[in-house]
Amino acid sequence: GIQVEQSPPDLILQEGANSTLRCNFSDSVNNLQWFHQNPWGQLINLFYIPSGTKQNGRLSATTVATERYSLLYISSSQTTDSGVYFCAVARNNAGNMLTFGGGTRLMVKP
Amino acid sequence: DAGVTQSPTHLIKTRGQHVTLRCSPISGHKSVSWYQQVLGQGPQFIFQYYEKEERGRGNFPDRFSARQFPNYSSELNVNALLLGDSALYLCASSLGVRVRDNSPLHFGNGTRLTVT
Repeated sequence: GIQVEQSPPDLILQEGANSTLRCNFSDSVNNLQWFHQNPWGQLINLFYIPSGTKQNGRLSATTVATERYSLLYISSSQTTDSGVYFCAVARNNAGNMLTFGGGTRLMVKP
Repeated sequence: DAGVTQSPTHLIKTRGQHVTLRCSPISGHKSVSWYQQVLGQGPQFIFQYYEKEERGRGNFPDRFSARQFPNYSSELNVNALLLGDSALYLCASSLGVRVRDNSPLHFGNGTRLTVT
């Protein structure tokens, strides 16, 4: 199956700082999503981004499918950004069978 | 519109018992998927159902089973519970069988199962 590796595993930021989270995957994919899991366990979809670049407020994401990696940028971080960020991928014939990475645990300090 | 709803929110069971977890998708969504998230790890895919048919199965033993009803709600059943089944069980729904830009995957808040 596809292997998904995320880095760094843990990240501590001061409020207002910027950060880049990385997701490497081992095979061609047609579906890549970034999720944020808040401290209460709720998983929120941030981006559907199998290729290209998207932006949503202070967050943006870029996927380079040919080189099998995706980046999530967080600018001007806020304490509410704390939680775990997951990258998840799937092949086109795999339906919603997403393979998740191990996550990046982010703590933003005031 | 209500999001994906799961019940119960928390559950404590004893080894060897059976458990049923329930999920109601977002209105209009025909696909329901189940994931298991062990503490400190990313979610792992268990099942996907679309239009009441199984469309995918992850690497889980036969003790795990699921079904989808005509109203697209779903149940996940786990028999002969083991300590290692303790986890957060997440249900997700989407419009179609495959996630697309206009039909992302939406997750419920999960059921936290503790097996003692």
